[in-house]
Amino acid sequence: DAGVTQSPTHLIKTRGQQVTLRCSPKSGHDTVSWYQQALGQGPQFIFQYYEEEERQRGNFPDRFSGHQFPNYSSELNVNALLLGDSALYLCASNRGTQETQYFGPGTRLLVL
Amino acid sequence: RKEVEQDPGPFNVPEGATVAFNCTYSNSASQSFFWYRQDCRKEPKLLMSVYSSGNEDGRFTAQLNRASQYISLLIRDSKLSDSATYLCVVNPHGSGNTGKLIFGQGTTLQVKP
Repeated sequence: DAGVTQSPTHLIKTRGQQVTLRCSPKSGHDTVSWYQQALGQGPQFIFQYYEEEERQRGNFPDRFSGHQFPNYSSELNVNALLLGDSALYLCASNRGTQETQYFGPGTRLLVL
Repeated sequence: RKEVEQDPGPFNVPEGATVAFNCTYSNSASQSFFWYRQDCRKEPKLLMSVYSSGNEDGRFTAQLNRASQYISLLIRDSKLSDSATYLCVVNPHGSGNTGKLIFGQGTTLQVKP
């Protein structure tokens, strides 16, 4: 039973560029959430997708956008990258109304 | 005020010690609470859920005090493998209505031989 997978594992970009991160949820899960974790901090909620729609959003600018596909996988897009976007981006999945969210290994983004 | 607050530590304890972590949350309507464990450069993993009556899992005990909006985690007989960051997590939306998880900063535990 595959857990949550994310790609790529690491990424280096320069300011102003755009990036797309990918996530496949755990088998049987239909809800995907994205979190940003800066060094030394806890993860911060970006948004959550369910039935291909953004269900809830945290306090992140419009530069952060996402998508969920019919197979429940998801993408996180960040435009006009800033140095402060350097972080670990975590994807979590859960099934329906079950609360427990399972996290993927994350994508480490470095913006130079 | 942060929505979930934790003492970042680090807590340095010898093997076999008992250590307690505390966490406070600001949203009194929150219904669901968790402790996650995060190893260095890894993803968070669920350690325990914390419900109204609190719960115990082996050497780990989690308690909830709704009146004080306070959650605790007690680790007995610490092992070297317990060294990690412990994240206090709140779901403000309540049971059965998944939404964002709100994480504390995390408390770092280092267990020494």
